[in-house]
Amino acid sequence: DSGVTQTPKHLITATGQRVTLRCSPRSGDLSVYWYQQSLDQGLQFLIQYYNGEERAKGNILERFSAQQFPDLHSELNLSSLELGDSALYFCASSVRDSLENSPLHFGNGTRLTVT
Amino acid sequence: SQKIEQNSEALNIQEGKTATLTCNYTNYSPAYLQWYRQDPGRGPVFLLLIRENEKEKRKERLKVTFDTTLKQSLFHITASQPADSATYLCAPIMNTDKLIFGTGTRLQVFP
Repeated sequence: DSGVTQTPKHLITATGQRVTLRCSPRSGDLSVYWYQQSLDQGLQFLIQYYNGEERAKGNILERFSAQQFPDLHSELNLSSLELGDSALYFCASSVRDSLENSPLHFGNGTRLTVT
Repeated sequence: SQKIEQNSEALNIQEGKTATLTCNYTNYSPAYLQWYRQDPGRGPVFLLLIRENEKEKRKERLKVTFDTTLKQSLFHITASQPADSATYLCAPIMNTDKLIFGTGTRLQVFP
């Protein structure tokens, strides 16, 4: 068990809808990362937060947004959903904002299916 | 643009043999590199980190090498077991705020 909790585990919704994915990092971890993994693609980095502040952005669509709250949990909001957004969404956490001595600990993901 | 390449084809080996997985990167110079294991439907699990000034790193049956001249890392599993079957991901790191993964190599160890 990595200590990273993601809810819900599964989510089925229709095109055009909006969903919120939630992540609770490991106790003591200040950094949260979000990744998307589709069947035909590897892990795609979306965004990183450290202690409530956005630190790095990857290929995150404008329809997607995220935030990290004072209690360090994070939410990823996906809006105007399209079929192509169907994927596994992973959250990961680390102690620091530097990855050199602080590897990522991943949750088991939220499987999003857009119909 | 930065590119990370891992064998897209699955690697099938017999139990007890050594599995060797390759990670090649282009257009950047990572200061260190991480390897992760991912089982189907689960999140990746961190295995090893190697720095650019370290040629080799070992942990139990795992060994990682890092050749900055060849821009390549090799990941070895000795005395492989069916339980080692999984997808292995490499992540060369230059910018410490991002962790960009390769597409992974699926390893299948058969008895």
